Amino acid sequence: GQQLNQSPQSMFIQEGEDVSMNCTSSSIFNTWLWYKQDPGEGPVLLIALYKAGELTSNGRLTAQFGITRKDSFLNISASIPSDVGIYFCAGHRKGRSYSGAGSYQLTFGKGTKLSVIP
Amino acid sequence: DVKVTQSSRYLVKRTGEKVFLECVQDMDHENMFWYRQDPGLGLRLIYFSYDVKMKEKGDIPEGYSVSREKKERFSLILESASTNQTSMYLCASSGYNSPLHFGNGTRLTVT
Repeated sequence: GQQLNQSPQSMFIQEGEDVSMNCTSSSIFNTWLWYKQDPGEGPVLLIALYKAGELTSNGRLTAQFGITRKDSFLNISASIPSDVGIYFCAGHRKGRSYSGAGSYQLTFGKGTKLSVIP
Repeated sequence: DVKVTQSSRYLVKRTGEKVFLECVQDMDHENMFWYRQDPGLGLRLIYFSYDVKMKEKGDIPEGYSVSREKKERFSLILESASTNQTSMYLCASSGYNSPLHFGNGTRLTVT
């Protein structure tokens, strides 16, 4: 299946620094989701975006739904050691409804592995 | 909060064994999914189900089957485990107005 282009693949940052990562696609999506996966655990949903241009925050995390609907960005401010993990983006074509034929599949990026140096 | 529970965190099986991975969700979600996750390959969809007794192949269904006899439960079956099925397996569910939520994963090793 199609994969989203997620970058960077990995990053090493100093504690306290801000972090930016993004996902791009050649196709339009109506929903963008951002997940974080801690080592040995399943991915956990961080932020869901449903409208082009939307900017949503969750604590130190801010995500934006690109105006073209083909990209999304995640920023983490003032990073701390527990931010370590893999961050995934996911695109969904049919907006908020996750039911109905053809509407339940997500397309995932390959992840950004974040390491934070104390 | 949505809870997706996978019955085992770690499994070690022998080549040729039949393996069952169980997943239960408590949010009355219509859709359930099985993914496998391998380094460098990301998340790959094995099978999904959008209703009881309904199933659809994902991107890599070969060597796997699934069962959904009840809405809350979705099982992944490896009919004859092989070493190339050593992986992290992730179950997930979604429903109307509720995006994909994952379980904690099962790390399967086939020797």
